[in-house]
Formats: sequence, structure tokens, C-alpha cells
Amino acid sequence: NAGVMQNPRHLVRRRGQEARLRCSPMKGHSHVYWYRQLPEEGLKFMVYLQKENIIDESGMPKERFSAEFPKEGPSILRIQQVVRGDSAAYFCASSPFRQGDTGELFFGEGSRLTVL
Amino acid sequence: GEDVEQSLFLSVREGDSSVINCTYTDSSSTYLYWYKQEPGAGLQLLTYIFSNMDMKQDQRLTVLLNKKDKHLSLRIADTQTGDSAIYFCAEKGDYKLSFGAGTTVTVRA
Repeated sequence: NAGVMQNPRHLVRRRGQEARLRCSPMKGHSHVYWYRQLPEEGLKFMVYLQKENIIDESGMPKERFSAEFPKEGPSILRIQQVVRGDSAAYFCASSPFRQGDTGELFFGEGSRLTVL
Repeated sequence: GEDVEQSLFLSVREGDSSVINCTYTDSSSTYLYWYKQEPGAGLQLLTYIFSNMDMKQDQRLTVLLNKKDKHLSLRIADTQTGDSAIYFCAEKGDYKLSFGAGTTVTVRA
């Protein structure tokens, strides 16, 4: 049973380019969360999605950032016109239910974005 | 509110016990968690505790919860070099987890 799969693991972009990060949740999980980890900081919640719906995007910057979780295919976190401050590790997590047994989130290995 | 705080660094000698502390603010949290992150990897759940418990033991791990003070701790007995990692405390709100900044544990021989 594959875990949460994220790709790419590492991504390098120049300022002004676009970054697309993909996440395939664990089999049977319909809830996806994106978190951002800045150097020497904890994980900051960005967005929570269910299939075809954004439930909570309160942690996502209003501009340049968007997320989707289509009916078919992985969840995508898209960052347009990247700036150096976007350099971070972006983690995707999934869970089977909104409230879950214990609320445990299953994390992917992360996508590390470097903006030159 | 969602504000989880933990100390940033802990150095411990191999074989000793490690204690990592965490404070949280959301008194309505139902579950509290400890996650472990090894270098370059994602987070793995170590253990969790339900808010109506005050202690949970799982092999070398002991979690203590003081709801009155909103204080959570993780004790690792007989710390090994493989325990070197970043440990994150997290609390569960309605549907999302709020994390602390992580405690980097370094195990020295």
C-alpha cells in the first residue's frame, strides 16, 4: 500500500517562473492537506481540500498560490511568479475522513522548492 | 487559537532519557500528537494521546498530558543514535493539525 506520493522531490525555479507540486494521497484517502515548512520553522497549514472542493485555504497567500484536487488525478499546488521567499519544503498529507479515527495525517516526503 | 510552542534544541547522551516539552493553546483540542522528521524526509507519527488521558506509554515512549496547564511532553527512554531527528508536537483543531516549530534532538555518544 503506497504512502502519500509527492513529486517532484526537488524543484529549482528562477524568480518569475511557475512551480507545480503534485500529491497523490494514500489509497482510499479523499482528504488532502498542504503544509509549508520554512527553514528552521514548523509546518504551517496552507490549504485543506477534498475531491473537487477547497474546504479551507486560510493559510494560503491570496496571490500567486492556488491548489486543486480534481476528481481524477493528484492534488496540485501551483505557485505562479515565484519569489525567493517561496523557497521551502512543501508537504502534502492525507487522511481518510475529515475527523478520522484519531485525526492522524499521513505525510509525503515533501517537495523542496528552491528559487534562484 | 492555534499556537504550539516547543524548545528548539535538545542534546542528550546515548542511553539517557530525552524529554521534549510542548505547550499549546487550544483547550478544545481532542488529540495531541508527536511526529518525528528525519533529515530530508517527511513526518511520521510517533504517538498520539487523546485529550481525556493524562499518560500514554508505548515501548520507549511516554507521553504526559497536563490539560490544566496545556502542557504535553514526550519522554524517550534509553535514547539511541537513531532517535536523532526533529520532533514536532501538534494539536488537532476542527480538522487540521497545528504544529510547533520542532525540537531538534541530537544524540551524542
